[in-house]
Amino acid sequence: ELKVEQNPLFLSMQEGKNYTIYCNYSTTSDRLYWYRQDPGKSLESLFVLLSNGAVKQEGRLMASLDTKARLSTLHITAAVHDLSATYFCAVANAGGTSYGKLTFGQGTILTVHP
Amino acid sequence: NAGVTQTPKFRILKIGQSMTLQCAQDMNHNYMYWYRQDPGMGLKLIYYSVGAGITDKGEVPNGYNVSRSTTEDFPLRLELAAPSQTSVYFCASRLGGVADTQYFGPGTRLTVL
Repeated sequence: ELKVEQNPLFLSMQEGKNYTIYCNYSTTSDRLYWYRQDPGKSLESLFVLLSNGAVKQEGRLMASLDTKARLSTLHITAAVHDLSATYFCAVANAGGTSYGKLTFGQGTILTVHP
Repeated sequence: NAGVTQTPKFRILKIGQSMTLQCAQDMNHNYMYWYRQDPGMGLKLIYYSVGAGITDKGEVPNGYNVSRSTTEDFPLRLELAAPSQTSVYFCASRLGGVADTQYFGPGTRLTVL
């Protein structure tokens, strides 16, 4: 059974600082996703990572994937208040009959303060 | 495109009542999914569909049923509502390519009292 764990679960950052959110998963997968959720809102796709060593960047966020270590990271550079949200990683179930099913981590609640 | 739409946005049910959560997408996506999100938790898959007429159980299907008679619609039925079904329900869809992400609807907040 695929398990996905994120840490930390809560992250309070100062504006301008850097930090990394970690996503570990328990079984082989070829796809990993990062989503953002604002309070009371739906999920917004941030990144899709498809292969070992994949790195994607958008603004102050950079995501990477190490399939050998079963680890993805979401790095935040020079945090700003607008990045405050909950961040989820989700791992695709492997196999031909996975049908794109995802297993989600618990989410990391990020708060950026002055 | 409206994307993925869900109705209602909010609903309060009494224990034992039934209801249907509606989900529709206008992107001609093959795959559709229903998740529930409990407070402070990640999403758990209830049911999914790979096309019209084809559905299957996810991780937490008990107490729910689905149908998919068209590509666009994927309603979720709750029979005999229980307090444990208090949650936020999200519907999502995906076209089907390797690099495709899932697109989520705005959610339905359900309270069972």
